[in-house]
Formats: sequence, C-alpha cells, structure tokens
Amino acid sequence: GQSLEQPSEVTAVEGAIVQINCTYQTSGFYGLSWYQQHDGGAPTFLSYNALDGLEETGRFSSFLSRSDSYGYLLLQELQMKDSASYFCAVRDRHGSSNTGKLIFGQGTTLQVKP
Amino acid sequence: EAGVAQSPRYKIIEKRQSVAFWCNPISGHATLYWYQQILGQGPKLLIQFQNNGVVDDSQLPKDRFSAERLKGVDSTLKIQPAKLEDSAVYLCASSLAGSGNEKLFFGSGTQLSVL
Repeated sequence: GQSLEQPSEVTAVEGAIVQINCTYQTSGFYGLSWYQQHDGGAPTFLSYNALDGLEETGRFSSFLSRSDSYGYLLLQELQMKDSASYFCAVRDRHGSSNTGKLIFGQGTTLQVKP
Repeated sequence: EAGVAQSPRYKIIEKRQSVAFWCNPISGHATLYWYQQILGQGPKLLIQFQNNGVVDDSQLPKDRFSAERLKGVDSTLKIQPAKLEDSAVYLCASSLAGSGNEKLFFGSGTQLSVL
C-alpha cells in the first residue's frame, strides 16, 4: 500500500528557517508534491520534485531523494502568513497508463510566532 | 481564468438523510478528483475521473457514496444515507490530464455537518 509520514506540528519564529520532512512508501512513484492549506481554505500547489535534488521557488525550496524515499520542504525567512498546514503528496502509477491517484500525507501544521 | 467551482459551501443534515455536492472544474481539465478531508487530516481521495471515465474509486464507500461526471465536465457526489462519520470537507479538484507532474487546482470545498 501507499503511506506518507510527516511531523504533525512545527513551530518557528518570524525570519527563521524551517524544514518539514516527508517519507513515503508507494507501489509506484512519479514524484513528490507539496501543498499549502490555510485554515478554512483550499490546498494550493507549492512545488513538485520528480528527480533527486533541490528545487527553489522564492522563499520555498523542496528536496527529493528517491533512493531514500524522502523529501522535505524548506521555508526561509518565515512570515506570519506562512502559518498553515503543509501536505506532501505522491502520485502512484495506475497500471501502464500515465495517470495515477494523488495521495496526501496527514499534514504538518506550521505555527509562526512573532 | 476561473477556478474550480463548488456548491454548496456549507451543508447541515441529519444522519440517514441524503446530500449532493456539485463541482465545475477548470475549463479544459480532463481529470477531476473528489477528496474527503476530515478535520486535522490530509485529503483522502474518494474518486478520480479522467474525462467521464473512472480512474480510481477504491476508497469510495460504494454502499452510500456515488459520483458521476456526465459529458466529462461537471460532476456530482452524492451520499445516501449519511452517517455521523461523513462530517468533513469535500474538496473537488481538477488537473489537465492526471499525469505525474501536474498540479491540482482545488475548489473551496463543501463543509458537511451530519447531526
């Protein structure tokens, strides 16, 4: 079966750097995505890694190690508005087709303090 | 570009009643997803459509839940009869083709309370 593990809560102060880890186990693997969800809001896409290494998008970076089935989301220069839940997600393969279902982790609640 | 539209935004029903949710995906998106998100948990996939065909419905409780996507555009998700444990936010999402590197666009969701 498929499973993803990430910490349930992380707390940091404004201006700091925080790393949210995600380990996964899937029958097939296309890549690791990250989504952000504010309270009462819809999940929004942050990043996607298909290959090993670091992808940087502004203050956010995401890393993937396929051999370790591990990835992380790195948030720099934290701001109060970054307080939200962060979900890692993997898309597994669906037979021989190019489609697959996107499975989400349980989420990490990030609280940014002044 | 218009986003994913969902209605209603909130719904309160009593157990054993039926309820239906509606979703209009982003124009041109072939793949449509229904997720259930219980408070404090990650979204759980209920059903995934590619055009009007079902790609995956392995986690859909088929004795009470049903979904359809007529003409490969709009979709409805129905619960009949509802149980207390169905209280959750039901999120609809769409993507271009459901392939590996695509991002999902989510609607605002329908918050269902079953009393």
